[in-house]
Amino acid sequence: AAGVIQSPRHLIKEKRETATLKCYPIPRHDTVYWYQQGPGQDPQFLISFYEKMQSDKGSIPDRFSAQQFSDYHSELNMSSLELGDSALYFCASSLGLTGQAGYTFGSGTRLTVV
Amino acid sequence: GENVEQHPSTLSVQEGDSAVIKCTYSDSASNYFPWYKQELGKGPQLIIDIRSNVGEKKDQRIAVTLNKTAKHFSLHITETQPEDSAVYFCAAPGELQGAQKLVFGQGTRLTINP
Repeated sequence: AAGVIQSPRHLIKEKRETATLKCYPIPRHDTVYWYQQGPGQDPQFLISFYEKMQSDKGSIPDRFSAQQFSDYHSELNMSSLELGDSALYFCASSLGLTGQAGYTFGSGTRLTVV
Repeated sequence: GENVEQHPSTLSVQEGDSAVIKCTYSDSASNYFPWYKQELGKGPQLIIDIRSNVGEKKDQRIAVTLNKTAKHFSLHITETQPEDSAVYFCAAPGELQGAQKLVFGQGTRLTINP
């Protein structure tokens, strides 16, 4: 079965650079969530989209922005990168708003800021 | 908002023994409680979930129990095997309106000793 696809798997950037992470949800899933997971930490919610509109916003820095496109894929744009942005970034998708009809995570993008 | 506490942070058991991980939540209106298994370098994978209209759910060696009155739920793994070694996260809905982001517990690193 198709899963949530994230790209790239690994990314190394220098401080103050910009990074773009991509997420392709499971086909027919219309809701996308972004999470950040620091070393040894639990995933922290950043932002979500339902039907291409922002649905909820968590602890996402102003330097980050995201959007969901007409094909339901989503991109997380991160500017003015800081060392503390180094983390695993996960995308999850679900069908509908409740998330209970299949809330599936991708394999993540490991971002390293040097 | 929802707050989820998970214990213990680490757990080591002998192969074949049982493992129990416990979580408490704060929002009495929460109605969905998933458990995720995360292996090194991978995204969280849903292993079992329970909705608030049942008290227990079982899937082979894995079971989850829910006590709504006390606002806690537990993961039980029986006949543990080395491949059960991973980090386990409990979660609960962060909001009951809109796209349901998940609030995660702090994680339990489970080690199965052969």
